[in-house]
Amino acid sequence: NAGVTQTPKFQVLKTGQSMTLQCAQDMNHEYMSWYRQDPGMGLRLIHYSVGAGITDQGEVPNGYNVSRSTTEDFPLRLLSAAPSQTSVYFCASSYWGHRLGTEAFFGQGTRLTVV
Amino acid sequence: AQSVTQLGSHVSVSEGALVLLRCNYSSSVPPYLFWYVQYPNQGLQLLLKYTTGATLVKGINGFEAEFKKSETSFHLTKPSAHMSDAAEYFCAVSADDMRFGAGTRLTVKP
Repeated sequence: NAGVTQTPKFQVLKTGQSMTLQCAQDMNHEYMSWYRQDPGMGLRLIHYSVGAGITDQGEVPNGYNVSRSTTEDFPLRLLSAAPSQTSVYFCASSYWGHRLGTEAFFGQGTRLTVV
Repeated sequence: AQSVTQLGSHVSVSEGALVLLRCNYSSSVPPYLFWYVQYPNQGLQLLLKYTTGATLVKGINGFEAEFKKSETSFHLTKPSAHMSDAAEYFCAVSADDMRFGAGTRLTVKP
């Protein structure tokens, strides 16, 4: 049981490049989400999904796209990387969504630097 | 949308001393509240959570938190700090989605 797996762990991009951060969970969780963590700002919600085919925006969605074609996978796409997107990105999943007060399980994070 | 404010970005205590990390929340619906801990270069782990019922919640590693609706607070405490408690702690509130505070870095001095 691997839990939540994020790849890659580290990435350096040039301004304007695009890339996809991968997230997969093997717990059959319906709810998945992406956060970015910046010093002094905690974790800010980028996008979330309550099930396959359903996604919604969080606090800071601009510059990011998501899709949810399967229960297991929830990739985050950076369309045209900017230095302001330098951050640590965390994927999380949980049963039935946070609405029901269930624990979120987090991946180990992806440290992204945009130069 | 709901929000969380953590008072104090950095707290330093001596080993054996009381740990108190403060969290206040706002939510238009009855909230679910969480404390998570993050060790260096790792993801977040759940310490404890409040959903309904008893307002004093006990978690792992000797931590506990009390939900006070009248004060909209969910402060985290531990009677006696240990060196291994040094980490960053995040309070979170859940309604339609989960929102986190800015975090409090706990340092434990020998």
